[in-house]
Amino acid sequence: DTEVTQTPKHLVMGMTNKKSLKCEQHMGHRAMYWYKQKAKKPPELMFVYSYEKLSINESVPSRFSPECPNSSLLNLHLHALQPEDSALYLCASSPGVLHTGNEQFFGPGTRLTVL
Amino acid sequence: AQSVTQLGSHVSVSEGALVLLRCNYSSSVPPYLFWYVQYPNQGLQLLLKYTSAATLVKGINGFEAEFKKSETSFHLTKPSAHMSDAAEYFCAAAKYNFNKFYFGSGTKLNVKP
Repeated sequence: DTEVTQTPKHLVMGMTNKKSLKCEQHMGHRAMYWYKQKAKKPPELMFVYSYEKLSINESVPSRFSPECPNSSLLNLHLHALQPEDSALYLCASSPGVLHTGNEQFFGPGTRLTVL
Repeated sequence: AQSVTQLGSHVSVSEGALVLLRCNYSSSVPPYLFWYVQYPNQGLQLLLKYTSAATLVKGINGFEAEFKKSETSFHLTKPSAHMSDAAEYFCAAAKYNFNKFYFGSGTKLNVKP
């Protein structure tokens, strides 16, 4: 299995809702990432987990809450989002750290719309 | 200075023509460079990567890139464009001692029939 899966594919939520995005990989990768991507822009890093521990938080607002229950699964919990949070949310994984030449494997993304 | 710079936010070529997408990197990044492709409403897919083994790197879908240290460039080429190549292309480099990528701003490739 050489893919990263994400669910749901599309999500529409109101500003008072609580929802979660899910990401899964079964490649034995020890690093997992959440990105936010707006139209016509590159992906913007939000969080990095290494060995199931949060290693990077790019000053993301607390209405986004990541969770890594095990080495294969990554969640992003959403609460009280704003319309400007509407974007494509991408999950990625890598076998190890990137600065030694490892690449990232990306999931197909979740298209989030906040009303 | 930007760590990864892509010149040209939009490139348009005719089907069958040469594709050239430009990427320049800062000397402050590790010697590992990547090209990713993104089709509309999809995730990013790795096209190829440079990891110091050979300066000319061949990737999927007929793409290749040449690492030129003297020019700090890693341009992506394909001899003959196909309609299915129309997509957004991102050049990326890692950051020393931080487990994150620098992404270029992206180049949207349009292929005309």
